Amino acid sequence: GAGVSQTPSNKVTEKGKYVELRCDPISGHTALYWYRQSLGQGPEFLIYFQGTGAADDSGLPNDRFFAVRPEGSVSTLKIQRTERGDSAVYLCASSLAGGPDNEQFFGPGTRLTVL
Amino acid sequence: GQQLNQSPQSMFIQEGEDVSMNCTSSSIFNTWLWYKQDPGEGPVLLIALYKAGELTSNGRLTAQFGITRKDSFLNISASIPSDVGIYFCAGHPLRDYKLSFGAGTTVTVRA
Repeated sequence: GAGVSQTPSNKVTEKGKYVELRCDPISGHTALYWYRQSLGQGPEFLIYFQGTGAADDSGLPNDRFFAVRPEGSVSTLKIQRTERGDSAVYLCASSLAGGPDNEQFFGPGTRLTVL
Repeated sequence: GQQLNQSPQSMFIQEGEDVSMNCTSSSIFNTWLWYKQDPGEGPVLLIALYKAGELTSNGRLTAQFGITRKDSFLNISASIPSDVGIYFCAGHPLRDYKLSFGAGTTVTVRA
């Protein structure tokens, strides 16, 4: 079956603009995660959804970042007033259920460049 | 921030060589995972370890969960060209379901 998909694959925007990044998880996966990967680093946790609700958003760097998952499937990561430091690859992952025993399957990521 | 120290940062391999990399943490981890990431792709899980002392193989890959629960290593035997990529260790700290990643080990082919 299809894996996790993310759109767009690349996004170039100007400082101060608003962007939305989309994640389509594997069908039937209840848990969804967002990570941010800066150049030369491993992914860093941003937010975790169990179903429609954000179970843990402690990784969001500030209030310019927000994510939703209104129907418990597709999720959108929203970044307001983008800054150059927001440039990174944003990865989405999903798992059958939450918790450490469930493998997280990653999408290819969205590369965000803020000019 | 990231809690895992991964080494080496990069390495060069020749086909047929064995490769080894490791990861340490100052705190106890409940799980240790090893991922590989190719350019333009997300990380793909190679091996998952759930018990201290566990030694697990997946083809030419072998990984161990350290007895102290603060370290893990990954070995690749008889490397082949498609082994190039970035390898990440990751794990769940004690009483935390959030996945923490190391900074990665970049494996490239020696010219």
